[in-house]
Amino acid sequence: NAGVTQTPKFQVLKTGQSMTLQCAQDMNHEYMSWYRQDPGMGLRLIHYSVGAGITDQGEVPNGYNVSRSTTEDFPLRLLSAAPSQTSVYFCASRLSGGREQYFGPGTRLTVT
Amino acid sequence: DQQVKQNSPSLSVQEGRISILNCDYTNSMFDYFLWYKKYPAEGPTFLISISSIKDKNEDGRFTVFLNKSAKHLSLHIVPSQPGDSAVYFCAASATDSWGKLQFGAGTQVVVTP
Repeated sequence: NAGVTQTPKFQVLKTGQSMTLQCAQDMNHEYMSWYRQDPGMGLRLIHYSVGAGITDQGEVPNGYNVSRSTTEDFPLRLLSAAPSQTSVYFCASRLSGGREQYFGPGTRLTVT
Repeated sequence: DQQVKQNSPSLSVQEGRISILNCDYTNSMFDYFLWYKKYPAEGPTFLISISSIKDKNEDGRFTVFLNKSAKHLSLHIVPSQPGDSAVYFCAASATDSWGKLQFGAGTQVVVTP
């Protein structure tokens, strides 16, 4: 199993550009989520999904869109990037009956 | 408001000694607590967890203690090893919240020879 994979590892965007951060898992986990990590603030939940076709907002959803068309994939879209979205983004997944989430390696995003 | 707090941003400990990391929470609905370890440029990895029906859970060198009345948990690492140098995050979840995790800000542990 590859576990949770994320692409790209690094990305630099200009303000106003759009992009999609990819996340995939091969563990057949129903639950997937996106977090951002900022210095001194831990990880904060952006969006999550409890299964294909079902998504909901987390703590900091503004500026981000998600969709979940398959169990395996959970992309995160930035429609118009802003410098405040400079961060490290982590995707995670878990089984629906479990509590431990398994994280991908992260995407470091810089918006100039 | 931050519902999970790790008030020590850093901890330095000698190899072979005990590392004690602390975490406080405010939400009484939290019923499951986890510790994650993170190396630079990697994703967090699950370390150990504890349910609110227990007050201690042990896994090798790692022990987590939960004091529900004080809304406090701690992670003990004995003995500390150089490979334990990492950032440790405390996280909490509630049964009725789809298992969403609330994280603390993290504690940077440095184990010196």
